[in-house]
Amino acid sequence: AQSVTQLDSQVPVFEEAPVELRCNYSSSVSVYLFWYVQYPNQGLQLLLKYLSGSTLVKGINGFEAEFNKSQTSFHLRKPSVHISDTAEYFCAVSEMNTGFQKLVFGTGTRLLVSP
Amino acid sequence: DAGITQSPRHKVTETGTPVTLRCHQTENHRYMYWYRQDPGHGLRLIHYSYGVKDTDKGEVSDGYSVSRSKTEDFLLTLESATSSQTSVYFCAISALRQPPTYEQYFGPGTRLTVT
Repeated sequence: AQSVTQLDSQVPVFEEAPVELRCNYSSSVSVYLFWYVQYPNQGLQLLLKYLSGSTLVKGINGFEAEFNKSQTSFHLRKPSVHISDTAEYFCAVSEMNTGFQKLVFGTGTRLLVSP
Repeated sequence: DAGITQSPRHKVTETGTPVTLRCHQTENHRYMYWYRQDPGHGLRLIHYSYGVKDTDKGEVSDGYSVSRSKTEDFLLTLESATSSQTSVYFCAISALRQPPTYEQYFGPGTRLTVT
């Protein structure tokens, strides 16, 4: 079984500042890793994913994440945030397989960007 | 937009009444999922389907049943609603592709309140 820990429930940051949202996972098998974003009153949207290859993955809206296998982490970063980045961010893992996917989500981190 | 609709979008019901939530997709994707979202818990998988009439339980399936008689529709039923089932319910879909993309696309959600 897999589990995901997002230690920060809320991260306040000023506009144009850098931000890092932390994600650690636990699994006895190899996993795929994902970050989803949820804007207010909307469903979730995929930001980026790590399946294999380069451990630094780039996503939409200027976000990137780095997979660290030894630390079982997949932290999300953005060098300069905008007000529009205010949202809830979910880290998720999925056991590797060939098609069907069962995602296990973290509890989410609310990013609050202020002017 | 992944072509997923959920109905109703909001519902208030009384304890003990049956409730059915509908998820409809226009993408002809094979896999469909029902999640519930609660503060402090992130998203948790209730049930999923890997084809017409093929469904299985997720992490929090007690008190819920599902049906999928057509590729495009996945119904979630609360046979006798309880206050603990007050939540936001999300439907998601994913495709079987080669190579796999491992992306899930989420609907807009249904906010259910059980009084």
